[in-house]
Amino acid sequence: ETGVTQTPRHLVMGMTNKKSLKCEQHLGHNAMYWYKQSAKKPLELMFVYSLEERVENNSVPSRFSPECPNSSHLFLHLHTLQPEDSALYLCASSQAGGLETQYFGPGTRLLVL
Amino acid sequence: GENVEQHPSTLSVQEGDSAVIKCTYSDSASNYFPWYKQELGKRPQLIIDIRSNVGEKKDQRIAVTLNKTAKHFSLHITETQPEDSAVYFCAASWDNQGGKLIFGQGTELSVKP
Repeated sequence: ETGVTQTPRHLVMGMTNKKSLKCEQHLGHNAMYWYKQSAKKPLELMFVYSLEERVENNSVPSRFSPECPNSSHLFLHLHTLQPEDSALYLCASSQAGGLETQYFGPGTRLLVL
Repeated sequence: GENVEQHPSTLSVQEGDSAVIKCTYSDSASNYFPWYKQELGKRPQLIIDIRSNVGEKKDQRIAVTLNKTAKHFSLHITETQPEDSAVYFCAASWDNQGGKLIFGQGTELSVKP
């Protein structure tokens, strides 16, 4: 499946590192999302961008910084993370403005040491 | 805010049997209820959804029912097959909030041959 892609697929970083996760969608959508998936927990919405404007920041710590330069690309910039931030980070996209199906990327498996 | 509870957390059935997963939601404004399937190591994918103007929707072996009064909805899988083994997530959403989905905790379904 190539509709929503994410890079890298796996990432190991120290608590002092700075890294970025990238998401790209090829579906012509105009809304994009970041989710965090931890073991034994539900999918947690982090950020929502609609028409390149951030419309939701779900009480996410400032060590996570999203960026949406255009409707096809979404980044999640990471700095000074904690071990408890280790998780699968999923990107999704959909049409904006309604109750539309969200299509997920394969995720980035992040380990913070 | 909205809260979605999902039960059971694990479910094991014999091939050919039916499986039922139940979710309850707290916000009566919710009017869109998708179900996602996530196979091991893969991305979540939409399998069926229902909107609040209908009480039931069916797609081959999969059906979803919605009881708005009781604020619960259920996924029914009939004639289960080993390839149905996965984690299933329910979610709830509502109008005018940028596509925000609130997910349940997930149900790990195991279909034994």
